[in-house]
Parts: sequence; structure tokens; C-alpha cells
Amino acid sequence: DSGVTQTPKHLITATGQRVTLRCSPRSGDLSVYWYQQSLDQGLQFLIQYYNGEERAKGNILERFSAQQFPDLHSELNLSSLELGDSALYFCASSVGQGASNTEAFFGQGTRLTVV
Amino acid sequence: AQSVTQLGSHVSVSEGALVLLRCNYSSSVPPYLFWYVQYPNQGLQLLLKYTSAATLVKGINGFEAEFKKSETSFHLTKPSAHMSDAAEYFCAVSENFNKFYFGSGTKLNVKP
Repeated sequence: DSGVTQTPKHLITATGQRVTLRCSPRSGDLSVYWYQQSLDQGLQFLIQYYNGEERAKGNILERFSAQQFPDLHSELNLSSLELGDSALYFCASSVGQGASNTEAFFGQGTRLTVV
Repeated sequence: AQSVTQLGSHVSVSEGALVLLRCNYSSSVPPYLFWYVQYPNQGLQLLLKYTSAATLVKGINGFEAEFKKSETSFHLTKPSAHMSDAAEYFCAVSENFNKFYFGSGTKLNVKP
């Protein structure tokens, strides 16, 4: 158990809908990262938050947004869902940001299926 | 720009045989390099990481990797495969520990 909790584990929704994925980082970790893992794109970095502020952005679509709350949990919002958004979404957390000894711990992921 | 190439999407070895998973990277600055393992229905778990200290890095479960700057490689090895090593392995590169760029993964199959 990495200590990173993601909910829900599975989500099935229709095209055009909006969903919210939740991530609780390990106790004491200030950074949260979101990744998308799909068969055709592999594992892609989406976005990072550190202590409530956006720190780095990757290949995140404009239909997707994220935030990190004062209690450090994070939510990834996916809207106007398309079939191609079906993927496994991982959250990871780490103590710091940009430090050479930072290690990211991954949650078990949320499997999103868009039908 | 950073990128990672993992040669071989599937590797099959016999139990007790050497495991060699290949990873080549490109980076404009000295990189941080990682190997992660993903078991079915699990998140990724860090095996080992290179952060500009020793070029030979030892990780968990008997795995190790060697950073070779001249070859831009960071291959993962284990002298003797165990059935429990069957999983998917991802190589990743990061320049600043904020963004991680992952390879496409290599599925390791261990035959009895």
C-alpha cells in the first residue's frame, strides 16, 4: 500500500458527461501528480500541484482541469467526455517538488470507461 | 525535450535466467532516471532511481540499473528471474522531478 488513495476505483459514464476523480496523497506529501495511462498513448503526465498551486503542466486537454485543496487532496475533473478518454488515471504524491531526493508514490488508479 | 524509448514491448525469460530490460533516453540536461514496476490492477511502484550519484543503482527485489551517459541508456537487470517478477516495467526520465516522461512499458513474462 503506497498510502495514496484514489476514488472511485472504477467509473463508467456516457460520452458528453463530466466526472471527478479524487486523490488523497500520503500523509505529509505536498505534491500531487496526475497521469493518464491508455493503450495508445501509454503513461502520460497531465499536471502537478504543490501545496495548492499548479506547478507543472503536461499533456492535459482543455476539457480537463484539476485542483488541490487546502487539505492537500486533489481532484481531476474531466468534462465533455469522449470515448478516447477511457483510460486508467493515476495520482501520485511526493513530499517536495523538484528536489533530487523526491520520490513519487502512486495510487492504484481510477479506471474510467466512457461508453 | 525529454523522451524515453523502451526496446521490446514484451520480454520472456525462464525462471532463473537473466532479466534485461532496455531503456534509452533523451534529455537536454543531466536527467533523473527511474524504473517503475506495475503489477496487474496495481499502481506503479518505484524500483530504483538514478539522481547523479553512483552510476550503478541497486533497487528493490534484486534489480539494478546502470546509467551510461555515452550510450544514453539506463537498462534494468536482474541476475535471476523469479516468477513473481512477471509484471510491466516502465522507464521514466525527469529533468526537474516535476514532470516524469515514461516509456511505453515492457511486459516481462517469466516461464517456469
